[in-house]
Amino acid sequence: DGGITQSPKYLFRKEGQNVTLSCEQNLNHDAMYWYRQDPGQGLRLIYYSQIVNDFQKGDIAEGYSVSREKKESFPLTVTSAQKNPTAFYLCASSPSTGELFFGEGSRLTVL
Amino acid sequence: GQQLNQSPQSMFIQEGEDVSMNCTSSSIFNTWLWYKQDPGEGPVLLIALYKAGELTSNGRLTAQFGITRKDSFLNISASIPSDVGIYFCAGQLWQGGSEKLVFGKGTKLTVNP
Repeated sequence: DGGITQSPKYLFRKEGQNVTLSCEQNLNHDAMYWYRQDPGQGLRLIYYSQIVNDFQKGDIAEGYSVSREKKESFPLTVTSAQKNPTAFYLCASSPSTGELFFGEGSRLTVL
Repeated sequence: GQQLNQSPQSMFIQEGEDVSMNCTSSSIFNTWLWYKQDPGEGPVLLIALYKAGELTSNGRLTAQFGITRKDSFLNISASIPSDVGIYFCAGQLWQGGSEKLVFGKGTKLTVNP
């Protein structure tokens, strides 16, 4: 079945460690996105990519990094520079018509 | 920057009741989307609206894109327990040569059986 797969679903990290969240899609969408969600908050855009080998910062990119080496994959690295990384992270992709289709999310907890 | 004001923040209703929520903005959007998010899951697209004044239904859900392109409402008729979740509106516009999607902060719906 076509869709967006995020892994892992739950991740625990010690302070000072980098972690990478995986996002893979088989929908043949050009654009991919990473959002952060905190309790009671809306979705905040971290990074997005509209084409392979190109990506742009969103509203809260500090402390995060991404790569887009393949159309299907858009991994997000949460670096030690991110001061408050505990959150629910959502990956999404979109076709040319613009609707976003989301993965099931990854919950990161810093111990 | 663009903001979507979504209301109400939360709703507590009895099973069988109808629900209405809305989003407003001072910005004009090309597309309006409504999503539902179950706890611990990613948002799922419910309805997409593309034209000013467009009224679209999806089962018990009805949504309309405001004639000015600055607002939208979502109605749920005859609510059931599985309607529980957070409903997000999102507006799409072109800015700086790329598409930008702006999300409201969500309406949390609780349905009492």
